[in-house]
Amino acid sequence: DGGITQSPKYLFRKEGQNVTLSCEQNLNHDAMYWYRQDPGQGLRLIYYSQIVNDFQKGDIAEGYSVSREKKESFPLTVTSAQKNPTAFYLCATGGGTEAFFGQGTRLTVV
Amino acid sequence: GQQLNQSPQSMFIQEGEDVSMNCTSSSIFNTWLWYKQEPGEGPVLLIALYKAGELTSNGRLTAQFGITRKDSFLNISASIPSDVGIYFCAGPSGGYQKVTFGIGTKLQVIP
Repeated sequence: DGGITQSPKYLFRKEGQNVTLSCEQNLNHDAMYWYRQDPGQGLRLIYYSQIVNDFQKGDIAEGYSVSREKKESFPLTVTSAQKNPTAFYLCATGGGTEAFFGQGTRLTVV
Repeated sequence: GQQLNQSPQSMFIQEGEDVSMNCTSSSIFNTWLWYKQEPGEGPVLLIALYKAGELTSNGRLTAQFGITRKDSFLNISASIPSDVGIYFCAGPSGGYQKVTFGIGTKLQVIP
């Protein structure tokens, strides 16, 4: 099956713990993105990567970290420094000027 | 960074009615994208526009790339209950083709 796979769909963590969200793609797209979605705030860009071993901060990178060791994979770590981590996280890929999304991971920190 | 302003932010319409929503930017965009997001899912690309003045249809959806390149419009004709969702406009910006999204228009259709 071609596409973008985010896992898990739902994730619960205790406050103060780091957590890593997975994003894998088999579309052979160079660009990958992480967005955060909160009610009434649209999609905000956390990090993006145009090529393996390179990534750039988006608009709200504080408290997050990423890696891009393989073209297919772009995991996002939500660290304990992120003050309000409960949100819906969306991974996307891009082969040109368009972005294609995974199904999302809903992270709840209790 | 670049901002996209979408309006209206929410709308309730009767089944069968036509819907219009728009998106404006303070800067020029070379591509306009329209997405639909259903609850608990990722956004799905509906229409992509690449040229100023371009008018493109996808079934009951029609989108236009404004002549000034600073706006775009999405129309849905004869709405049905499954049109419910959040509609986002978006466009690539910056040297890295960073895709910026509007805040979304939440559409509710009353049967």
